[in-house]
Amino acid sequence: QKEVEQNSGPLSVPEGAIASLNCTYSDRGSQSFFWYRQYSGKSPELIMSIYSNGDKEDGRFTAQLNKASQYVSLLIRDSQPSDSATYLCALIGGATNKLIFGTGTLLAVQP
Amino acid sequence: DTAVSQTPKYLVTQMGNDKSIKCEQNLGHDTMYWYKQDSKKFLKIMFSYNNKELIINETVPNRFSPKSPDKAHLNLHINSLELGDSAVYFCASRRRGSRTDTQYFGPGTRLTVL
Repeated sequence: QKEVEQNSGPLSVPEGAIASLNCTYSDRGSQSFFWYRQYSGKSPELIMSIYSNGDKEDGRFTAQLNKASQYVSLLIRDSQPSDSATYLCALIGGATNKLIFGTGTLLAVQP
Repeated sequence: DTAVSQTPKYLVTQMGNDKSIKCEQNLGHDTMYWYKQDSKKFLKIMFSYNNKELIINETVPNRFSPKSPDKAHLNLHINSLELGDSAVYFCASRRRGSRTDTQYFGPGTRLTVL
């Protein structure tokens, strides 16, 4: 089982819709969770971090964490074409200080 | 005023050659990393240095040798390049101590081995 699993997509949503990106993980000891956005040909850029169960909102982005279900999600409200990118779920493993990435979900927002 | 910089941005070379990639951060961070992103976009840690000391080595072939002359620089030297080394290599840095601290990534170096 991969440490961090994401659906590779592409996830296609119309402009203005809510995009929902999901991620599951295997290490129950993980405490820190991150969502990075990566545009094609660019480096990953942190957009959200979450450390406790529940929701965390930042502008149009909401991260959700459920440690019991080992599940992290990212909601993007009012999706814009400029949100089209690969979204990488990442966590810091329980036993190490390593940042472990999922394979990413490609999001395409259609105008 | 780039936070994490890498050189070169592109590197095209023949199999068997030796090449180096340089990374510098001006954020005052203690911890630096090298990641490899393959053609399927999977981003995986290779090495981590904390204040010039190697703390993570992810079973990378010993053809790869990181070197940290000071805590602001982390270079990656690759000997006897192979086709499978073709990837994008990202340098990153983080302030030591907190798991909540953000890792900042450099722009990446696209290595193509022919």
